[in-house]
Amino acid sequence: KAGVTQTPRYLIKTRGQQVTLSCSPISGHRSVSWYQQTPGQGLQFLFEYFSETQRNKGNFPGRFSGRQFSNSRSEMNVSTLELGDSALYLCASNPGNQETQYFGPGTRLLVL
Amino acid sequence: QKEVEQNSGPLSVPEGAIASLNCTYSDRGSQSFFWYRQYSGKSPELIMSIYSNGDKEDGRFTAQLNKASQYVSLLIRDSQPSDSATYLCAVNNSNYQLIWGAGTKLIIKP
Repeated sequence: KAGVTQTPRYLIKTRGQQVTLSCSPISGHRSVSWYQQTPGQGLQFLFEYFSETQRNKGNFPGRFSGRQFSNSRSEMNVSTLELGDSALYLCASNPGNQETQYFGPGTRLLVL
Repeated sequence: QKEVEQNSGPLSVPEGAIASLNCTYSDRGSQSFFWYRQYSGKSPELIMSIYSNGDKEDGRFTAQLNKASQYVSLLIRDSQPSDSATYLCAVNNSNYQLIWGAGTKLIIKP
């Protein structure tokens, strides 16, 4: 099976802009989770989608949003970018049992 | 108190020795426990999962779980330079949320 894919892999934006990241899970996986990883804060959970519904949400401001499509592909959107949003954004998929997470390669976002 | 705590390290271990990584968690209702390895610039990958008290062995890796004391550990026997990475502990809490530790950086010295 193909692994989790994320696009784009690298992104440079300026403050105030918005960005959309995409994640395609492993075939058959219905759960997609998004994480933000920074050197100082480690791996921070953003949200999880299962069957097009947000099932869990972390403690991030409303500027961070996501959605999941009927084919389980997911997008994450960050509006009004801030310098502190510079991070590696990881997507992970799971069959739906919230157990083992299979991570994609990540999107590295730099906000200038 | 953080929900899942790990010593950030770095933990330096000579090649061939046993590396011991520890993780404590706060939610007594937690049922599932995971160790992930993350090489620099790469994504985390699962090494071990453990659900019951005691030891679980897989090759050179042994996960140990003690629910009464609320800790889970990972032992790496015969440590190799290729084991140098950051090791992340993750715990599925009673709300079915996967909570992550900040990770321990392990350095294996040849």
